[in-house]
Amino acid sequence: AQSVAQPEDQVNVAEGNPLTVKCTYSVSGNPYLFWYVQYPNRGLQFLLKYITGDNLVKGSYGFEAEFNKSQTSFHLKKPSALVSDSALYFCAVRDMYDKIIFGKGTRLHILP
Amino acid sequence: GAGVSQTPSNKVTEKGKYVELRCDPISGHTALYWYRQSLGQGPEFLIYFQGTGAADDSGLPNDRFFAVRPEGSVSTLKIQRTERGDSAVYLCASSFPTSGANVLTFGAGSRLTVL
Repeated sequence: AQSVAQPEDQVNVAEGNPLTVKCTYSVSGNPYLFWYVQYPNRGLQFLLKYITGDNLVKGSYGFEAEFNKSQTSFHLKKPSALVSDSALYFCAVRDMYDKIIFGKGTRLHILP
Repeated sequence: GAGVSQTPSNKVTEKGKYVELRCDPISGHTALYWYRQSLGQGPEFLIYFQGTGAADDSGLPNDRFFAVRPEGSVSTLKIQRTERGDSAVYLCASSFPTSGANVLTFGAGSRLTVL
């Protein structure tokens, strides 16, 4: 069975600093990996995905994620954090049968 | 419609009652997913449909939960004999799978409170 782990409940970063939100996964076959963001009182929104190809994928709002097959990780990154990036971030993985499961989420606080 | 629509947005019911939650996906989206999200937690997978059939219902907690999608579009999640532990936000998402990229578009959710 597939699984997703987000080891940090919360990440605090000063505005303008780089940020990383960690995600590791377990799945049979080729991984299809996703990041979603949830702003307060808003629905979940897609940020970016990895299917195949370059290990560094770029997404919305200047976010990117690095796929590392040997470490089974898919960490979310941004070179320079904004206060408006403060939100709840979820990593997700799709198995070979199209079932998609989510991690428990990481709350990102960007400090002004 | 332009997005995924879920009704009702808010439902308060008493323990033991029956509840139906409706999801209207984006037109043409063949895949439809139901998740349950408790406060501060990630979406918990319940069931997903490809067309009219439930492709995977392994996340349904017990036989009080049931979901249908009779015409391959609108889906209804049905909860019998509700319990206080069923209180959560129920999320629906749809996608049009292309090249393995099941990008989900989520609805705003139905908040269920069981008193």
